[in-house]
Amino acid sequence: SQQGEEDPQALSIQEGENATMNCSYKTSINNLQWYRQNSGRGLVHLILIRSNEREKHSGRLRVTLDTSKKSSSLLITASRAADTASYFCATAPYSSASKIIFGSGTRLSIRP
Amino acid sequence: DGGITQSPKYLFRKEGQNVTLSCEQNLNHDAMYWYRQDPGQGLRLIYYSQIVNDFQKGDIAEGYSVSREKKESFPLTVTSAQKNPTAFYLCASSPPGLAGLIYEQYFGPGTRLTVT
Repeated sequence: SQQGEEDPQALSIQEGENATMNCSYKTSINNLQWYRQNSGRGLVHLILIRSNEREKHSGRLRVTLDTSKKSSSLLITASRAADTASYFCATAPYSSASKIIFGSGTRLSIRP
Repeated sequence: DGGITQSPKYLFRKEGQNVTLSCEQNLNHDAMYWYRQDPGQGLRLIYYSQIVNDFQKGDIAEGYSVSREKKESFPLTVTSAQKNPTAFYLCASSPPGLAGLIYEQYFGPGTRLTVT
Protein backbone atom coordinates (compact mmCIF):
# COMPACT_ATOMS: atom_id res chain seq x y z
CA SER A 1 0.00 0.00 0.00
CA GLN A 2 1.53 3.30 -1.13
CA GLN A 3 0.75 5.96 1.45
CA GLY A 4 2.86 8.76 0.05
CA GLU A 5 2.90 10.15 -3.46
CA GLU A 6 5.68 12.47 -4.55
CA ASP A 7 5.29 15.24 -7.05
CA PRO A 8 6.82 15.74 -9.53
CA GLN A 9 7.96 12.25 -10.56
CA ALA A 10 11.03 13.80 -12.21
CA LEU A 11 12.69 17.20 -11.94
CA SER A 12 15.63 18.65 -13.87
CA ILE A 13 17.16 21.96 -12.80
CA GLN A 14 20.32 23.98 -13.31
CA GLU A 15 23.09 23.76 -10.74
CA GLY A 16 22.67 26.52 -8.18
CA GLU A 17 18.87 26.64 -8.47
CA ASN A 18 16.53 25.49 -5.72
CA ALA A 19 14.65 22.19 -6.00
CA THR A 20 11.25 21.61 -4.43
CA MET A 21 9.59 18.23 -4.10
CA ASN A 22 6.17 17.56 -2.66
CA CYS A 23 4.66 14.58 -0.88
CA SER A 24 1.02 13.86 -0.16
CA TYR A 25 -0.24 11.11 2.11
CA LYS A 26 -3.56 9.62 3.08
CA THR A 27 -3.76 8.77 6.80
CA SER A 28 -2.78 10.44 10.06
CA ILE A 29 0.89 10.12 10.86
CA ASN A 30 3.33 10.18 13.77
CA ASN A 31 6.15 11.51 11.65
CA LEU A 32 7.27 11.98 8.06
CA GLN A 33 10.77 11.32 6.80
CA TRP A 34 12.71 12.11 3.64
CA TYR A 35 15.35 9.82 2.18
CA ARG A 36 17.78 10.06 -0.72
CA GLN A 37 18.83 7.22 -2.99
CA ASN A 38 21.71 7.41 -5.41
CA SER A 39 21.37 5.14 -8.42
CA GLY A 40 21.78 1.48 -7.49
CA ARG A 41 22.45 2.22 -3.83
CA GLY A 42 20.66 1.99 -0.51
CA LEU A 43 18.62 4.85 0.92
CA VAL A 44 20.06 7.49 3.19
CA HIS A 45 17.95 9.21 5.82
CA LEU A 46 17.89 13.00 5.37
CA ILE A 47 15.45 14.50 7.83
CA LEU A 48 12.48 13.63 10.04
CA ILE A 49 9.63 15.93 10.95
CA ARG A 50 7.15 15.07 13.69
CA SER A 51 3.41 15.56 13.30
CA ASN A 52 3.44 18.49 15.75
CA GLU A 53 6.17 20.33 13.82
CA ARG A 54 5.57 22.58 10.83
CA GLU A 55 9.05 23.26 9.53
CA LYS A 56 12.53 21.85 9.97
CA HIS A 57 15.95 22.75 8.57
CA SER A 58 19.12 20.75 8.09
CA GLY A 59 21.93 22.43 6.17
CA ARG A 60 20.58 23.18 2.67
CA LEU A 61 17.41 21.18 3.33
CA ARG A 62 14.12 22.66 4.45
CA VAL A 63 11.10 20.47 5.14
CA THR A 64 7.57 21.64 5.79
CA LEU A 65 4.60 19.65 7.00
CA ASP A 66 0.93 20.57 6.73
CA THR A 67 -1.09 17.92 8.54
CA SER A 68 -4.40 19.58 7.63
CA LYS A 69 -3.59 19.08 3.95
CA LYS A 70 -1.68 15.84 4.56
CA SER A 71 1.28 17.13 2.61
CA SER A 72 4.97 17.86 2.98
CA SER A 73 7.59 19.54 0.88
CA LEU A 74 11.35 19.19 0.66
CA LEU A 75 13.36 22.19 -0.52
CA ILE A 76 17.01 21.82 -1.49
CA THR A 77 18.65 25.21 -1.83
CA ALA A 78 21.64 26.06 -4.04
CA SER A 79 21.61 22.65 -5.72
CA ARG A 80 24.84 20.84 -6.60
CA ALA A 81 25.63 18.06 -9.06
CA ALA A 82 26.00 15.71 -6.09
CA ASP A 83 22.31 16.26 -5.25
CA THR A 84 21.35 14.22 -8.33
CA ALA A 85 19.41 11.28 -6.86
CA SER A 86 15.92 9.99 -6.15
CA TYR A 87 14.15 11.42 -3.14
CA PHE A 88 11.49 9.53 -1.20
CA CYS A 89 9.10 10.58 1.49
CA ALA A 90 8.12 7.99 4.08
CA THR A 91 5.34 8.21 6.62
CA ALA A 92 4.94 6.52 10.00
CA PRO A 93 1.16 6.11 10.26
CA TYR A 94 -0.67 6.14 13.61
CA SER A 95 -2.35 2.88 12.62
CA SER A 96 0.92 0.93 12.37
CA ALA A 97 3.64 2.52 14.45
CA SER A 98 6.19 -0.24 13.83
CA LYS A 99 6.69 0.38 10.13
CA ILE A 100 6.99 3.25 7.69
CA ILE A 101 5.51 3.48 4.22
CA PHE A 102 7.48 4.87 1.29
CA GLY A 103 6.21 6.90 -1.61
CA SER A 104 7.19 6.39 -5.23
CA GLY A 105 9.92 9.04 -5.27
CA THR A 106 11.07 12.08 -7.24
CA ARG A 107 14.05 11.70 -9.57
CA LEU A 108 16.11 14.87 -9.36
CA SER A 109 18.71 15.72 -12.01
CA ILE A 110 21.05 18.68 -11.61
CA ARG A 111 22.42 20.07 -14.89
CA PRO A 112 25.95 21.53 -14.71
CA ASP B 1 32.79 0.66 11.46
CA GLY B 2 29.06 0.35 12.13
CA GLY B 3 26.47 -0.35 9.48
CA ILE B 4 24.42 -2.82 7.52
CA THR B 5 25.93 -5.22 5.05
CA GLN B 6 24.14 -7.13 2.35
CA SER B 7 25.69 -9.82 0.26
CA PRO B 8 26.12 -10.46 -2.51
CA LYS B 9 25.67 -7.21 -4.47
CA TYR B 10 24.53 -9.10 -7.56
CA LEU B 11 22.86 -12.52 -7.59
CA PHE B 12 21.78 -14.62 -10.54
CA ARG B 13 19.53 -17.66 -10.28
CA LYS B 14 17.58 -19.97 -12.50
CA GLU B 15 13.82 -20.02 -12.26
CA GLY B 16 12.57 -22.60 -9.76
CA GLN B 17 15.50 -22.26 -7.38
CA ASN B 18 15.26 -20.83 -3.89
CA VAL B 19 17.83 -18.16 -3.03
CA THR B 20 18.79 -16.59 0.30
CA LEU B 21 19.87 -12.96 0.63
CA SER B 22 22.05 -12.03 3.56
CA CYS B 23 21.59 -9.01 5.83
CA GLU B 24 23.82 -8.29 8.84
CA GLN B 25 23.93 -5.24 11.11
CA ASN B 26 26.25 -4.24 13.92
CA LEU B 27 24.24 -1.20 15.02
CA ASN B 28 22.59 -3.09 17.89
CA HIS B 29 19.16 -2.29 16.44
CA ASP B 30 16.18 -4.38 17.43
CA ALA B 31 14.07 -3.79 14.32
CA MET B 32 15.01 -5.01 10.85
CA TYR B 33 13.18 -4.80 7.53
CA TRP B 34 13.24 -6.20 4.00
CA TYR B 35 12.03 -4.15 1.05
CA ARG B 36 11.68 -4.83 -2.63
CA GLN B 37 12.26 -2.08 -5.20
CA ASP B 38 11.33 -2.41 -8.86
CA PRO B 39 12.77 -0.05 -11.52
CA GLY B 40 11.56 3.51 -11.10
CA GLN B 41 9.39 2.55 -8.13
CA GLY B 42 9.31 3.12 -4.42
CA LEU B 43 9.98 0.53 -1.72
CA ARG B 44 7.50 -2.17 -0.80
CA LEU B 45 7.74 -3.92 2.55
CA ILE B 46 8.22 -7.70 2.43
CA TYR B 47 8.82 -8.67 6.08
CA TYR B 48 9.88 -6.96 9.26
CA SER B 49 11.09 -8.04 12.66
CA GLN B 50 10.97 -6.01 15.86
CA ILE B 51 12.75 -8.53 18.05
CA VAL B 52 14.68 -11.80 17.85
CA ASN B 53 12.57 -14.87 17.03
CA ASP B 54 9.63 -12.72 15.91
CA PHE B 55 8.69 -11.31 12.52
CA GLN B 56 5.61 -10.06 10.68
CA LYS B 57 4.49 -10.07 7.08
CA GLY B 58 4.60 -6.83 5.17
CA ASP B 59 2.57 -5.87 2.13
CA ILE B 60 4.09 -8.37 -0.33
CA ALA B 61 5.19 -11.39 1.76
CA GLU B 62 3.91 -14.09 -0.61
CA GLY B 63 6.75 -16.16 -2.03
CA TYR B 64 9.26 -14.97 0.58
CA SER B 65 10.37 -16.28 3.97
CA VAL B 66 12.61 -14.92 6.73
CA SER B 67 14.18 -15.92 10.02
CA ARG B 68 15.48 -13.89 12.95
CA GLU B 69 17.57 -16.20 15.10
CA LYS B 70 20.11 -13.52 16.01
CA LYS B 71 19.74 -9.81 16.61
CA GLU B 72 22.41 -9.06 14.02
CA SER B 73 21.04 -11.17 11.18
CA PHE B 74 17.79 -11.17 9.15
CA PRO B 75 18.17 -13.35 6.04
CA LEU B 76 15.52 -13.34 3.32
CA THR B 77 14.73 -16.40 1.21
CA VAL B 78 13.14 -15.85 -2.17
CA THR B 79 11.31 -19.08 -2.92
CA SER B 80 10.29 -20.57 -6.23
CA ALA B 81 6.72 -19.56 -5.36
CA GLN B 82 7.55 -15.88 -5.92
CA LYS B 83 6.13 -15.17 -9.38
CA ASN B 84 8.40 -12.29 -10.37
CA PRO B 85 11.49 -12.31 -8.15
CA THR B 86 13.81 -10.17 -10.29
CA ALA B 87 14.22 -6.92 -8.32
CA PHE B 88 16.49 -4.85 -6.10
CA TYR B 89 16.24 -5.97 -2.46
CA LEU B 90 17.03 -3.62 0.39
CA CYS B 91 17.52 -4.46 4.05
CA ALA B 92 17.16 -1.84 6.78
CA SER B 93 17.34 -1.56 10.53
CA SER B 94 15.98 0.93 12.98
CA PRO B 95 16.78 1.92 16.58
CA PRO B 96 14.01 1.57 19.14
CA GLY B 97 11.65 4.49 19.55
CA LEU B 98 9.08 5.40 22.18
CA ALA B 99 6.25 2.83 22.34
CA GLY B 100 7.65 1.00 19.35
CA LEU B 101 7.41 4.07 17.12
CA ILE B 102 9.72 4.01 14.16
CA TYR B 103 12.12 6.85 13.55
CA GLU B 104 14.89 6.77 10.97
CA GLN B 105 15.90 3.61 9.14
CA TYR B 106 19.43 2.69 8.13
CA PHE B 107 19.79 0.88 4.84
CA GLY B 108 22.23 -1.60 3.44
CA PRO B 109 23.65 -1.24 -0.10
CA GLY B 110 21.13 -3.68 -1.59
CA THR B 111 21.24 -6.92 -3.55
CA ARG B 112 20.17 -6.99 -7.19
CA LEU B 113 18.59 -10.37 -7.90
CA THR B 114 18.09 -11.57 -11.46
CA VAL B 115 16.14 -14.75 -12.10
CA THR B 116 16.08 -16.21 -15.59
